[in-house]
Amino acid sequence: EVQLVESGGGLVQPGGSLRLSCAASGFTFSSYWMSWVRQAPGKGLEWVANIKQDGSEKYYVDSVKGRFTISRDNAKNSLYLQMNSLRAEDTAVYYCARDSDDCSGGTCYSYWYFDLWGRGTLVTVSS
Amino acid sequence: DIVMTQSPDSLAVSLGERATINCKSSQSILYSSNNKNYLAWYQQKPGQPPKLLIYWASTRESGVPDRFSGSGSGTDFTLTISSLQAEDVAVYYCQEYFRTPYTFGQGTNLEIK
Repeated sequence: EVQLVESGGGLVQPGGSLRLSCAASGFTFSSYWMSWVRQAPGKGLEWVANIKQDGSEKYYVDSVKGRFTISRDNAKNSLYLQMNSLRAEDTAVYYCARDSDDCSGGTCYSYWYFDLWGRGTLVTVSS
Repeated sequence: DIVMTQSPDSLAVSLGERATINCKSSQSILYSSNNKNYLAWYQQKPGQPPKLLIYWASTRESGVPDRFSGSGSGTDFTLTISSLQAEDVAVYYCQEYFRTPYTFGQGTNLEIK
């Protein structure tokens, strides 16, 4: 079955750290860009970061730059998000998402809409 | 950053009737080199992750019912549900993937009248 399963969420104090993991299965993980997208309670969606297939390129939303680090281990089919210096405004459900690709022309190109999502893991930053 | 603005914030439509959700981007998301609009639509039901419905502004994802359609170009886009079904009650989001940071609209809450 094609799926993404997040883990590692929980309650953490402001200024603390947490590492989220996402286990991928059912598809060739190493062929896709991957993203983290978050959703604060009762709010909309916010893209957080993404990473290229080989980990050589990473991009972040400004609000997490310097605090969050996205990484991947293709041998373990896993995506990670290291979150440091956490703030109350980082409280959210964090979704792992697969960035799409288009191989219809014989060559595959990556595009950054999200065609597969995990069920999310809740991160609560509170004292 | 590109700002995505949806309208309305909330919408109530009778079963079998048409539902229309609008999305406006603060700058064009039409890429001239391939003439494609970098716009996607998602459906999110309570307690579930988002589900991709439409990409390239008008291409339906595999398995999505054909009552869902997308249109528009440049800065103005529309998601239309031609005949509302009970299972379509959800929040709908547009998203641009033209450049980072990829941004979403604030969401439109669709209910049954």
